Amino acid sequence: GQNIDQPTEMTATEGAIVQINCTYQTSGFNGLFWYQQHAGEAPTFLSYNVLDGLEEKGRFSSFLSRSKGYSYLLLKELQMKDSASYLCAVKDSNYQLIWGAGTKLIIKP
Amino acid sequence: IAGITQAPTSQILAAGRRMTLRCTQDMRHNAMYWYRQDLGLGLRLIHYSNTAGTTGKGEVPDGYSVSRANTDDFPLTLASAVPSQTSVYFCASSDGNGRGTDTQYFGPGTRLTVL
Repeated sequence: GQNIDQPTEMTATEGAIVQINCTYQTSGFNGLFWYQQHAGEAPTFLSYNVLDGLEEKGRFSSFLSRSKGYSYLLLKELQMKDSASYLCAVKDSNYQLIWGAGTKLIIKP
Repeated sequence: IAGITQAPTSQILAAGRRMTLRCTQDMRHNAMYWYRQDLGLGLRLIHYSNTAGTTGKGEVPDGYSVSRANTDDFPLTLASAVPSQTSVYFCASSDGNGRGTDTQYFGPGTRLTVL
């Protein structure tokens, strides 16, 4: 079966750095996506990786290792507004997105 | 530009009733999707449409039907609602045909409770 694993919940301090890990086992791989979802709202797109390496976009970076079936999302200079769930999703061989259950990130002052 | 709109925002429905969730996008995206999101689970694909006039089944299609008569609209119908269909339903769209790197953009969701 196909599987995406992420930690259920993480806590970090305002101004700090946090890394959210995602491991995946899917039938085929056509890219990995990270989305942010605030409570009661829709998911919003953060990043996309299809090649190994690091993609940087402002305070957020995303890393991919296809050989290890592993990705992480790195959030720097944490702000209270970063409190949200972060969803990892992989596009499989049928080009359908397989979603992890999400990591709830709690930011403390 | 509204992006993707969904209606209703929330609904309480008696089991056995028929219900259509509406989804409209104004971005002229080719592909559209319906997901359900349940606590502790990832988003699960119900049905999708890569282009107007075509539809396909996702991971959890049973009890749901869709149609794609035009580019903008992608309604989801529950023919006879059951309590296990209580969930938050998200509609999404993407610019491509569902393949490749196209990014999915989500509507605000419909919270459905079936009693």
